[in-house]
Amino acid sequence: SAVISQKPSRDICQRGTSLTIQCQVDSQVTMMFWYRQQPGQSLTLIATANQGSEATYESGFVIDKFPISRPNLTFSTLTVSNMSPEDSSIYLCSVDGGRNIQYFGAGTRLSVL
Amino acid sequence: ILNVEQSPQSLHVQEGDSTNFTCSFPSSNFYALHWYRWETAKSPEALFVMTLNGDEKKKGRISATLNTKEGYSYLYIKGSQPEDSATYLCASRNYGGSQGNLIFGKGTKLSVKP
Repeated sequence: SAVISQKPSRDICQRGTSLTIQCQVDSQVTMMFWYRQQPGQSLTLIATANQGSEATYESGFVIDKFPISRPNLTFSTLTVSNMSPEDSSIYLCSVDGGRNIQYFGAGTRLSVL
Repeated sequence: ILNVEQSPQSLHVQEGDSTNFTCSFPSSNFYALHWYRWETAKSPEALFVMTLNGDEKKKGRISATLNTKEGYSYLYIKGSQPEDSATYLCASRNYGGSQGNLIFGKGTKLSVKP
């Protein structure tokens, strides 16, 4: 299993600003994943963060809007840049805990005014 | 494009009722089907991972079945309790997808009244 600490748990931000979300895992993992759930929608994968290389973004997500850092095997950040109200979502990080199970953080609930 | 569909969208039951939800998913290139339980302000909790057609798994009062040929899974809760109130998510993973690329449904929100 893996224990994931994610912060902030929630934030209210102004349009045009940026927010950085942090994710700390209690064990070393090769890949970390960032998801988003917009209101009324499904959890959707934004990108996969590998330590020592550029993140891999899914269709519809770009590095300029969602820059990701992965400085070591236990930590990652996701920045939501130049925010607009459409970015209001729950953002979650996750890791593969083995045996096909993914473990998630508790999420960051972001509201953009 | 893969679509995972869940029904119903929400469900209100009385304590003691038994209930079930449905998850449908594309059956081509299927690899695994996941069920998660997600309470507000908490981490989604993995309930089951199923890979084989006909799989049945049980955890306490909760059980799940899998039909990979027709592309559906059922989640059953026997004797619902207020603490079962949560959103239940299913997610499909296909062969060839990236390791983290679970395709989620929108979830079924269950409310159990005492």
